[in-house]
Amino acid sequence: DAGVIQSPRHEVTEMGQEVTLRCKPISGHDYLFWYRQTMMRGLELLIYFNNNVPIDDSGMPEDRFSAKMPNASFSTLKIQPSEPRDSAVYFCASSLAGVRWSKGYEQYFGPGTRLTVT
Amino acid sequence: TQLLKQSPQFLSIQEGENLTVYCNSSSVFSSLQWYRQEPGEGPVLLVTVVTGGEVKKLKRLTFQFGDARKDSSLHITAAQPGDTGLYLCAGGITGFQKLVFGTGTRLLVSP
Repeated sequence: DAGVIQSPRHEVTEMGQEVTLRCKPISGHDYLFWYRQTMMRGLELLIYFNNNVPIDDSGMPEDRFSAKMPNASFSTLKIQPSEPRDSAVYFCASSLAGVRWSKGYEQYFGPGTRLTVT
Repeated sequence: TQLLKQSPQFLSIQEGENLTVYCNSSSVFSSLQWYRQEPGEGPVLLVTVVTGGEVKKLKRLTFQFGDARKDSSLHITAAQPGDTGLYLCAGGITGFQKLVFGTGTRLLVSP
């Protein structure tokens, strides 16, 4: 089975440019999460969706960040305009809720997109 | 705000040594997961524990959930270079699907 797919794997852009990161969750999963990881701040949750609807976007740092999930198999995270401090690895993860609660809330992560803003 | 603090932050050991990583919080979690992340990859789930006092073993790795469900530990016996990576604990919160991730422990096992 295919895991979570993210693209691109690496993105280098100049300050002020728009950046769009893409994610395809595991088929059948009903939750999708966007995270940002840096050495200083660790793994931070930015936003998550349930059945394509945003549930909690309290982790989105600024209005420059936006995320959409137009259907169950695709999500985007957009940064406009980008700044050097946005440089980080961005992860998408998906999970399936409501089944076998005894297993907790396992999340399955994609390989990440390494973003460098110069 | 629920926080999970891991200790130590960094650990560099020789192959064959034993080690323990701790994950502590003042909050109660409904479940506790451990992930391992290798360079250039996303975190990969190792185990989930859901009952206070629960112990799970995965080959040379032993995971324990505290009785009060506020803390957890990961013990590795006879560490190998393949165990090298970033270990993350993550707590589940009843009623919410999101996880609270710990601060991480970077482990380096040298041959």
